[in-house]
Amino acid sequence: DVKVTQSSRYLVKRTGEKVFLECVQDMDHENMFWYRQDPGLGLRLIYFSYDVKMKEKGDIPEGYSVSREKKERFSLILESASTNQTSMYLCASSFSASWVGEQYFGPGTRLTVT
Amino acid sequence: GNSVTQMEGPVTLSEEAFLTINCTYTATGYPSLFWYVQYPGEGLQLLLKATKADDKGSNKGFEATYRKETTSFHLEKGSVQVSDSAVYFCALSGSARQLTFGSGTQLTVLP
Repeated sequence: DVKVTQSSRYLVKRTGEKVFLECVQDMDHENMFWYRQDPGLGLRLIYFSYDVKMKEKGDIPEGYSVSREKKERFSLILESASTNQTSMYLCASSFSASWVGEQYFGPGTRLTVT
Repeated sequence: GNSVTQMEGPVTLSEEAFLTINCTYTATGYPSLFWYVQYPGEGLQLLLKATKADDKGSNKGFEATYRKETTSFHLEKGSVQVSDSAVYFCALSGSARQLTFGSGTQLTVLP
């Protein structure tokens, strides 16, 4: 079974802090994604990556950056956390660039910025 | 751009009731369509999919048919169980190689 793990289930940070969210997948998937999930808005794509050291902006990249130094790991960085970034963050992976529909999700990190 | 519209929840049903969650989409070209489910405290998992018009996806008693003429992909189940309580997301994958999700529908099934 594909496993996608996220470094923390719950995280509380202060405004202005730099925040790192880590995601690791164990099935050699090419694609990795970061979403945020908010009530009534569904999932919104922040960034995604099709390969090591490669990244593409999603629908809401402002205030975020990402890093993919190894194929299995995709990090989301909040350079200076703000209260409007309080949300559930979901990482996902999928097998290849030609097929992104079947994504495997981690359990999520609930981030609270105070 | 692509978009997905789901019926608003929450939906509350009694066990063994019939379930329909409506989903319509807007997309260019020929998208693939998906239903994902999120159980409490977990990430999303793929429930079923359909990749072309008139395809029917099915899994765990759930079904959905890709209707190009009505741009719809409604989720149905004949007899829901308490264990089906979850949030259900409709999604599409188009030429941009990204998934576009609906807002999600919370389903609660009462014993």
